[in-house]
Amino acid sequence: SYELTQPPSVSVSPGQTASITCSGDKLGDKYASWYQQKPGQSPVLVIYQDTKRPSGIPERFSGSNSGNTATLTISGTQAMDEADYYCQAWDNSAYVFGTGTKVTVL
Amino acid sequence: EVRLVESGGGLVRPGGSLRLSCAASGFTFSSYSMNWVRQAPGKGLEWVSSIITSNTYIYYVDSVKGRFTISRDNAKNSLYLQMNSLRAEDTALYYCARVGYYDSIDYWGQGTLVTVSS
Repeated sequence: SYELTQPPSVSVSPGQTASITCSGDKLGDKYASWYQQKPGQSPVLVIYQDTKRPSGIPERFSGSNSGNTATLTISGTQAMDEADYYCQAWDNSAYVFGTGTKVTVL
Repeated sequence: EVRLVESGGGLVRPGGSLRLSCAASGFTFSSYSMNWVRQAPGKGLEWVSSIITSNTYIYYVDSVKGRFTISRDNAKNSLYLQMNSLRAEDTALYYCARVGYYDSIDYWGQGTLVTVSS
């Protein structure tokens, strides 16, 4: 079955840039989405179709997807961005989520 | 405003059954594909099942095939998940979620907790 791999954790200082990778075989041939989940809350879609932001998502969130890697970038990271982040793709009639990355804003 | 409200979770013994429901509002339910996604305590997200708008296509993760059945009633704006032969590893918070553009999931409910334990 298809797998998406993310680093378990990423640390970033306030105001700096955080990059979260998501690796999967030929992931660039699929559409990647990204979700933010804060403790005790439901996930929120922050990026879809590799690079698009839903309404209400700040411009500091951006995405890319090429080859075997999709990347979520948070520019000018704020304390409120501290959360778990999951990538997701659709493969062979199934949704696949990444392993998740905890972003800590130090 | 899009709202997805799950219900039906609870404590059940291994081998037992539960039926989850999701009441949708704020959008034309019949026009959207829907998902169930679960999250075990302290773990990541796991997709469980999808149903296309007209019940014509239904998909399941391998671990629940033959045990879980997804269905929808477009007249009642409701999504369901019938769960049989429950196992301890099915213990999780179950989210009802709407399929958005380009295979994304654009709205999530608050979840209903299913605990399988003797």
